[in-house]
Order: sequence, then structure tokens, then C-alpha cells
Amino acid sequence: QKEVEQNSGPLSVPEGAIASLNCTYSDRVSQSFFWYRQYSGKSPELIMSIYSNGDKEDGRFTAQLNKASQYVSLLIRDSQPSDSATYLCAVGQAGTALIFGKGTTLSVSS
Amino acid sequence: SQTIHQWPATLVQPVGSPLSLECTVEGTSNPNLYWYRQAAGRGLQLLFYSVGIGQISSEVPQNLSASRPQDRQFILSSKKLLLSDSGFYLCAWSVIRGPGDTEAFFGQGTRLTVV
Repeated sequence: QKEVEQNSGPLSVPEGAIASLNCTYSDRVSQSFFWYRQYSGKSPELIMSIYSNGDKEDGRFTAQLNKASQYVSLLIRDSQPSDSATYLCAVGQAGTALIFGKGTTLSVSS
Repeated sequence: SQTIHQWPATLVQPVGSPLSLECTVEGTSNPNLYWYRQAAGRGLQLLFYSVGIGQISSEVPQNLSASRPQDRQFILSSKKLLLSDSGFYLCAWSVIRGPGDTEAFFGQGTRLTVV
């Protein structure tokens, strides 16, 4: 059974701080890793994807992947109240559906 | 650009009634299509996925079924709804950008309440 684990939170950070979200996965052959943001009552929207070990930056977001440790993380710099949402980690490989974690709730206080 | 349409947005159905949720994708051909369900306060559970017309893989045994009558149309059905079928149903499509490089994009979702 393929599993994706996330700390449910809530993770609370003050405005302007760095938020760090973590995710581990069980299937060693996983190839693709994604972070989605989901606001309450809305559908998930893709924030970032990463396929290679190391860091990938996009604006205030940085995804980090360590395949040896089966670990992927998302850093949000200069956190804003509008970043308050549930962040979903997803893992997959070509030809199969993405498997999602249960999500981490982030709360950014102003 | 690709667009995914899912309807209805909300639905209230009595226990034992049938269900039909529809999803269509525009702007792409031969997409992989998915149905996920999210119970209140829970994560996304994969229900069905399809790699082509008439090809459906079921991930969770239950009283739901899926069909793909056309390349860009995916339908989720039930003959008799249970209270436990309540949840947020999400249709998604995926694109393969390269080896191991698959991304999924979601429709707006259908919030189903079985009463």
C-alpha cells in the first residue's frame, strides 16, 4: 500500500516568517512529487512540482526533495495571511494516479 | 489552454437515490482522468482513474462506479447512495510532460450531502 504522510498541523507562523511543510512517502520508485494548496471548500491548486533531488525555487516557494530519505518539503518564505490553507503533498509515477497525503493546515497570523 | 468542467457544484440527495456526476475536459486529447473524494477534514481518496475510453481502474471497492463514454468525459455514478457517500468529489485530469513527470489539475468539485 503506497502511503504519503504529512503532519496534520495546524502549523502556525507569524506573518513574514518561513513556513516549513514536510512529507514522507513509502514507495521508493516514486518519480514525481507535488505540492497543492487547498483553501477551505475549494479544490486543490498546484503550487509546485519537483522530480530531481535538491531544491527548486519559484517565487516565495521552495520545494526540496531527498529521494534517499523519501522526503519532500515545501518552504514558504515571507509568509502572508493569504497563505493560510491546507497544503497537500502528492506523489506519483508515470502511468499511475497521484497519491495524496492528508494535508497540513497552515495558519499565518498578521 | 486546458479546462476541466465539473458539475453540479453542490448536491443534496436522499439515501437510496441514484447519483450521476459529470466531468469534461477541453483543450487536450486522451487525458488521464480521475475521481477523488474528500470527506470533511480528511485527505483526498482516489476512487477511479481512466487512461482511455472504456478503461476504468477502481481503487476502492464501494457502491460507486465510473464510466468514460467519450475521450474527454468521465462520469461517476451510484445506483443507491449511502450516508457515507457524502463528501467533496473532485474530478482531475493529468498530463505527462516527460518520463515520470505527471501533473494533475482539478475541477471545481461537487459537494455531495446525502440525507
